[in-house]
Formats: sequence, structure tokens, C-alpha cells
Amino acid sequence: EVQLVESGGGLVRPGESLRISCAASRFILSSYTMHWVRQAPGKGLDWVSSINPRMTHIYYGDSVRGRFTLSRDNAKNSLDLQMNNLRVEDTGLYYCARTNGGDTALVSWGQGTLVTVS
Amino acid sequence: QSALTQPASVSGSPGQSITISCSGTSSDIGGYSLVSWYQQFPGEAPKLIIYEDFQRPAGISTRFSGSKSDNTASLTISGLETEDEADYYCCSYTDSRTWVFGGGTRVTVL
Repeated sequence: EVQLVESGGGLVRPGESLRISCAASRFILSSYTMHWVRQAPGKGLDWVSSINPRMTHIYYGDSVRGRFTLSRDNAKNSLDLQMNNLRVEDTGLYYCARTNGGDTALVSWGQGTLVTVS
Repeated sequence: QSALTQPASVSGSPGQSITISCSGTSSDIGGYSLVSWYQQFPGEAPKLIIYEDFQRPAGISTRFSGSKSDNTASLTISGLETEDEADYYCCSYTDSRTWVFGGGTRVTVL
């Protein structure tokens, strides 16, 4: 079964940086488009970013564009999200998710890593 | 990109059918057949229940069905069961090549 494990979350102050990661098991991460989705405490889902298999298309949500950078390490079969100039409103549980082959839905999700900006 | 619009809550009695709406624009829902729906229980990660407007993944109950008309997508849960009590989110691909979620709907089984 596909497994995604996020790590790297923690408590930081506004303006600081943090790098979170997503390790994949039982599938080759570079074969799929991958996404990050976040959820503020008690709030709804918020799409953050995506990266396609060839890393030629990386997209960001309006609220994080210019501050967050998504990358992939094929050797480690992992995904990294570098978050700079963090704001209080970036606080939340960050999920990485894998799409289906056609990149039309998020079929597998990790359990998330908590980022707190305060 | 503005979030898609969902009702905050919907309720129904066991056995009834309920429908959750998800309103967007021609730049997202109306422009593509790429609406997906996710079910989320407290403390758990979301789970895909509908994709490409109306397709059901393997293992998802046939009581869940999706539809779309113009810029509004809908999720119908038929034969409501207590285990269906959860939060439901719609999601769509957009003209900007990004994705956007709805605000979420809490389903309560009376």
C-alpha cells in the first residue's frame, strides 16, 4: 500500500523559515504529480502547491507564491517544501498527497505535519 | 483564486438522501470535468470519494454520487447512514493550473 510520511513541522516565529518533507514508500514519487494541501486548526482544506513528474510545472497558491518553493529529491524518493517569510496565517497541518495517473484527484494522503507560526 | 462555495452544514435522518452543492465559476468548475470530493473524519486525513465530476474510486459506496451543472457541482449521499457523519470538501482544477477547495460542509445525521 502507498505510504506518505510528512516530517519537519514545528514552531517558528513570523518571518522565519522552515523546510518540511514528505517521504514516499511503495511507489516511485517521480512518476506522479504530487501536491501539498494544508489545513488551519478547525478550518477547511487549502491547496498549496503541486509538482509534475518531470518537474517542468510547479504551481503555487496565491497566498504562498513567492515565499514557498516545492522541490523533489528523486534519490530519496521525497518531496520538500521550503517555506520562507512565514506568517501566522501559514499555521496548520500540512499534508502531502499523490494524484492518480491522470492528475485529476488526490488519491493518497499522508497524516500531515504541523507547522505553527507564532 | 477564491474558494469554492459550499454550505457550512447539511443534515438528514438515516435513510434519507442529502445533496451538498459546490459553486464556482467558468474558470474552475464550469471549465473542466475535474471536480473531486473528499470525506474527512476528525483527526484523519481526507479521503477521495468522487473524481472527474462523477467517477467513484474502487471501494467507495454507490451511495455516494457526483454531478455537475454549469458552474455548480453536487455530491449526493443516498440512504444516509450514521457513519457518513463527516466533513466533505469539493475541489476543482482552475484556469491558472492550480487547484481550489470549497470551504467544506459538515454533514450531521439526525
